[in-house]
Amino acid sequence: GAVVSQHPSRVICKSGTSVKIECRSLDFQATTMFWYRQFPKQSLMLMATSNEGSKATYEQGVEKDKFLINHASLTLSTLTVTSAHPEDSSFYICSATAPGLAGADTQYFGPGTRLTVL
Amino acid sequence: GENVEQHPSTLSVQEGDSAVIKCTYSDSASNYFPWYKQELGKRPQLIIDIRSNVGEKKDQRIAVTLNKTAKHFSLHITETQPEDSAVYFCAASSGGSNYKLTFGKGTLLTVNP
Repeated sequence: GAVVSQHPSRVICKSGTSVKIECRSLDFQATTMFWYRQFPKQSLMLMATSNEGSKATYEQGVEKDKFLINHASLTLSTLTVTSAHPEDSSFYICSATAPGLAGADTQYFGPGTRLTVL
Repeated sequence: GENVEQHPSTLSVQEGDSAVIKCTYSDSASNYFPWYKQELGKRPQLIIDIRSNVGEKKDQRIAVTLNKTAKHFSLHITETQPEDSAVYFCAASSGGSNYKLTFGKGTLLTVNP
């Protein structure tokens, strides 16, 4: 149980275009989903926290108009990188929590999406 | 906000030896401390976690200890194997409505055969 998927696994796009990444909880309802960014050889940096049906909470320094997050259902959250630039190239990972599975605070991670902006 | 320090940044051991990774945290309200293993290009995988109401937890070759007074916790891996080679991250959470995790910078563990 507690499987999280992400799509796509890899994406290459041109500078200035927008990219949408999907995060799904496959076998549980995720009350909260998190979006992280990870640069090579670095730690996971939390970008935002999203709860189903409400606006995402962004971490300091993360532009909410550039990284649009939608959490329309208990099993799906999307991250859209708008007007992507080469410096946005990174590994984007989502995670989800689900009360009732292990602990309410346990985060289950998706496989990540490698974004390359040319 | 919470700050998590992790040491060492790299650790190289011989197969069969033990490995210890240490983390300290700053927020005394933190009460949940997971450890994740991440192989190159893969997702972080939860390997063990501990909550503030216990001081030690063990799962086969892996153990975690927590000292709330000193605000530090450690991961212990015994009888290391080459497949234990990966980056290990500690994290801390103070709970609350969203259970946000703050991660350490990671430790690259290399187990030499």
